[in-house]
Amino acid sequence: GAGVSQSPSNKVTEKGKDVELRCDPISGHTALYWYRQSLGQGLEFLIYFQGNSAPDKSGLPSDRFSAERTGGSVSTLTIQRTQQEDSAVYLCASSPGTDLTDTQYFGPGTRLTVL
Amino acid sequence: AQSVTQLGSHVSVSEGALVLLRCNYSSSVPPYLFWYVQYPNQGLQLLLKYTSAATLVKGINGFEAEFKKSETSFHLTKPSAHMSDAAEYFCAVVGSARQLTFGSGTQLTVLP
Repeated sequence: GAGVSQSPSNKVTEKGKDVELRCDPISGHTALYWYRQSLGQGLEFLIYFQGNSAPDKSGLPSDRFSAERTGGSVSTLTIQRTQQEDSAVYLCASSPGTDLTDTQYFGPGTRLTVL
Repeated sequence: AQSVTQLGSHVSVSEGALVLLRCNYSSSVPPYLFWYVQYPNQGLQLLLKYTSAATLVKGINGFEAEFKKSETSFHLTKPSAHMSDAAEYFCAVVGSARQLTFGSGTQLTVLP
């Protein structure tokens, strides 16, 4: 079946602009995660959605970052007033439910470059 | 807080040789541990996971890992390396909030 998809695959933007990154999880998966992968910081958790519950935003690095999940499916990560340190690969993952042992399935990522 | 440490940011092996990638964890509760592989310009793919059902876990592509509580380790092994195994490997532990906390990764190079 279809895996997690993300768009765009690459995004180049200028410092100060806003960007939106999209994630389509695996159909039927109730949990959705965003991570960031950068050379300096490695893989970092950003935000977690589970069903209709309030998201866990504990990993968001600043208030310029926000995310929403519409209809329990597609998610959008928004970065306002982008900075050069936001340059990274943004990975989305989904999992079937809330069990700690559930596998998280990752998308191919969006590579963001802030000039 | 739970964490994992991967020893060796780069590992090189000859084709056909044993692969050993090291991961040690720190956790105050029994951990659930994962190994993921990342090929260039791709997302992460699960190799295997430890869920306390068995201490020796077999995964895809001939990889396996053994959970050793006494050593707080979950090292990844493969008896015979193949050129296609060249990739970056990440060990991870899942927290109570369901997020994965990753190690810094080990880049595996397979030499012909």
